[in-house]
Formats: sequence, structure tokens, C-alpha cells
Amino acid sequence: GENVEQHPSTLSVQEGDSAVIKCTYSDSASNYFPWYKQELGKGPQLIIDIRSNVGEKKDQRIAVTLNKTAKHFSLHITETQPEDSAVYFCAASTDDKIIFGKGTRLHILP
Amino acid sequence: EPEVTQTPSHQVTQMGQEVILRCVPISNHLYFYWYRQILGQKVEFLVSFYNNEISEKSEIFDDQFSVERPDGSNFTLKIRSTKLEDSAMYFCASSEVLAGKSEQFFGPGTRLTVL
Repeated sequence: GENVEQHPSTLSVQEGDSAVIKCTYSDSASNYFPWYKQELGKGPQLIIDIRSNVGEKKDQRIAVTLNKTAKHFSLHITETQPEDSAVYFCAASTDDKIIFGKGTRLHILP
Repeated sequence: EPEVTQTPSHQVTQMGQEVILRCVPISNHLYFYWYRQILGQKVEFLVSFYNNEISEKSEIFDDQFSVERPDGSNFTLKIRSTKLEDSAMYFCASSEVLAGKSEQFFGPGTRLTVL
């Protein structure tokens, strides 16, 4: 079955700097790659997603890239703000289920 | 904005007892899911449900687990005889179409504590 690896597990960046989280997946049949933000006491919230026919997607300060050949995908957050502090999960999906990575705890330092 | 709701927010039970976790998916969604998250760990897929039957389940979803859509709005997860290791956050999710083709919306979760 699908296995998603995510790095780093913890990331601290200065406010205003960029943050990058990287993931790999194992199942070449995966075709949908969502990223979720989870704040304390809440369920995961989708922040951006990318499908396997697209290499890059951007939404304001957030961008995702996908390298199907290498089975890598990444999340980039630019101009980080205090409210970006949360746990971020990458995930890979075929049709019926989403397989999550272990999460990255992002701390934005003042 | 429509959202997935879950009740209760926190459930405490004794080992061996049955628990039912309840979810109300978004009204026009057709696919329903349960996930769990043990404290500090990743979110794990349990089961997907469509057209009143299970479409896929993980190794975690053994005979102690069952799901049901008893009426037009609720989607439930039952654990027949809880074990200590069932303690986790349980998230319900729903989507309009298949997981890989549309966003899954997650509920706020139910924290299950088994004593």
C-alpha cells in the first residue's frame, strides 16, 4: 500500500522567512496530493492540493510542487506569519482513501 | 459555510465497553470516511463508505469496528469492545465524490479515552 514520508518533523523559522516541507510517496498510482493544516484541537483543514497532471500550483503565499518521476512533492510557505504556526500534513491519495504523512510542526518565531 | 460535525467532542469509556461515535457529514456529500489520530502521531485511514456499504478499509478496521448510516444524515463508527489502544482522536470526513477527485472535509474530531 501507499507510504508517505514527511520531513522535517519540526521546523522553526523567523517570521517573514520561508518554510519548506518535503514529502515522498511510494505508490505510483497516487494521483492527488493534498496538504492539510491542523491547529490545536481541530481537525485537518485543506490548504492546497495538487493533482498528478500538474507540476506546480500557487495560492497567495502557499505553493506546492510535484515531481512524479521522483515521487516527491513539497509545500512552500513564503513570508511566514504567526498564524502559520500549526502542524502540516502532506498526503497522497488514489480514489478511496487519503494516506497521511507524519506531520511537520511549524513554529513561526517572532 | 457547510461543515462536518461530530459528537461527542470527548468520550471516556471503560475498557471492554461499546462506544458509538457520531458524525453528520455535509448534506450533499456522498462519500464518508473515518480516520483516527493517536496523540502526537499521524492521521490514519480507517474506512470509506459509499452507497450504504464499505468501499475500502484499513488493517486497523478489524471486526471490533463497524460503520453505519442509520438515516439520511448521520454516519456512525461503533467500537464493540474498546481496548486501551483505541484511545485516539477520531475524525469523520466527507466528500462530494471520490477522495482522489474532490476535497475531503474533516470534522473537529471526537477524543476517545479508554480507561
